[in-house]
Amino acid sequence: RKEVEQDPGPFNVPEGATVAFNCTYSNSASQSFFWYRQDCRKEPKLLMSVYSSGNEDGRFTAQLNRASQYISLLIRDSKLSDSATYLCVVRLLNDYKLSFGAGTTVTVRA
Amino acid sequence: NAGVTQTPKFQVLKTGQSMTLQCAQDMNHNSMYWYRQDPGMGLRLIYYSASEGTTDKGEVPDGYNVSRLKKQNFLLGLESAAPSQTSVYFCASSHPTGANQETQYFGPGTRLLVL
Repeated sequence: RKEVEQDPGPFNVPEGATVAFNCTYSNSASQSFFWYRQDCRKEPKLLMSVYSSGNEDGRFTAQLNRASQYISLLIRDSKLSDSATYLCVVRLLNDYKLSFGAGTTVTVRA
Repeated sequence: NAGVTQTPKFQVLKTGQSMTLQCAQDMNHNSMYWYRQDPGMGLRLIYYSASEGTTDKGEVPDGYNVSRLKKQNFLLGLESAAPSQTSVYFCASSHPTGANQETQYFGPGTRLLVL
């Protein structure tokens, strides 16, 4: 079983729509959670960290559900520039290693 | 401030050839990483270096070696390239923070094709 699993998508949404997707992680000892964004043929970049209480960054909202071992990302008022692959990333407490999901692709159309 | 840079950007090798992928960071980060990314799979850690002069194996180290002689440089070597090593290779660096929320900064990647 993969440590981090994501629906690969693609999620095709019109501009202005809301899109949400989850990822699940297998290790209950996971402590730190992140969403990274990766544009086509580019390097991953940190989008946001995910905190236990949930957090927002502009149009992006991340939630963590430790009981069910999943994290979610919601994008409101989608822009064409939001088209990318979103990587779910998990780390164990005091461990240097990050575990990456394979990514969820979002395509926003005009 | 260039961040993390990688050379070369593209490389084609024949099976059995050797090469070194270079990574440099100018952020004075202690930790550096080498990942590979294959279609349908997440990034997989090849090797990690917590500080200058130290290295540790990651998830998929076979067929690779690394060198961290200077804090700003992390080299990934392929001694005898195989078609299974065709991939996109990313280098990253980070600096530990007390909140355990350290960010990894990635280089632009090296696309390697082994024929």
